[in-house]
Amino acid sequence: EDQVTQSPEALRLQEGESSSLNCSYTVSGLRGLFWYRQDPGKGPEFLFTLYSAGEEKEKERLKATLTKKESFLHITAPKPEDSATYLCAVLNLDSNYQLIWGAGTKLIIKP
Amino acid sequence: GAVVSQHPSRVICKSGTSVKIECRSLDFQATTMFWYRQFPKKSLMLMATSNEGSKATYEQGVEKDKFLINHASLTLSTLTVTSAHPEDSSFYICSASAPYEQYFGPGTRLTVT
Repeated sequence: EDQVTQSPEALRLQEGESSSLNCSYTVSGLRGLFWYRQDPGKGPEFLFTLYSAGEEKEKERLKATLTKKESFLHITAPKPEDSATYLCAVLNLDSNYQLIWGAGTKLIIKP
Repeated sequence: GAVVSQHPSRVICKSGTSVKIECRSLDFQATTMFWYRQFPKKSLMLMATSNEGSKATYEQGVEKDKFLINHASLTLSTLTVTSAHPEDSSFYICSASAPYEQYFGPGTRLTVT
């Protein structure tokens, strides 16, 4: 069964304290892995798509990496405005474009 | 980037009435759109997948007669909550795929009194 697991559930960091969020997945055939950011009361905001192991993408203080089993979202020197829930999802090769979602990691950056 | 709008952002309705929510992809054509429901502090729950010009595919447990979905064009999908009840109160979010990445609307907060 296809599955996505995110850890930790919640992460509290001091401003400037770098860390990583994990997304482990099992899927019969990976078409793509997606990272989103969601603020309270808003729809998810697209961040990255990763298609193959070894791929990396960066955007400001965020960097996403992918292996055959997991993806990491590295956050470098975070600021309070990076506080949000970060969602990971995978797309199966056989699916009708339906994403399989992780439960998310709630990131809190304290000033 | 791809932009998806959703209207209204908030709606309050009385029990027994129907509410229509619109989802539009503003700068791209989306052959597939999705409707999600999200409960407080929970992840997204897929309700249905709709392809332009065909009937929506509903997830198990989602009543298709209660949640009517119409995908009339490549840029517009609508979700109508019929005979709404307080338990239908929730945050409803649509997304449009282009073709693999899903871009989300800002969501609609529905409150049924």
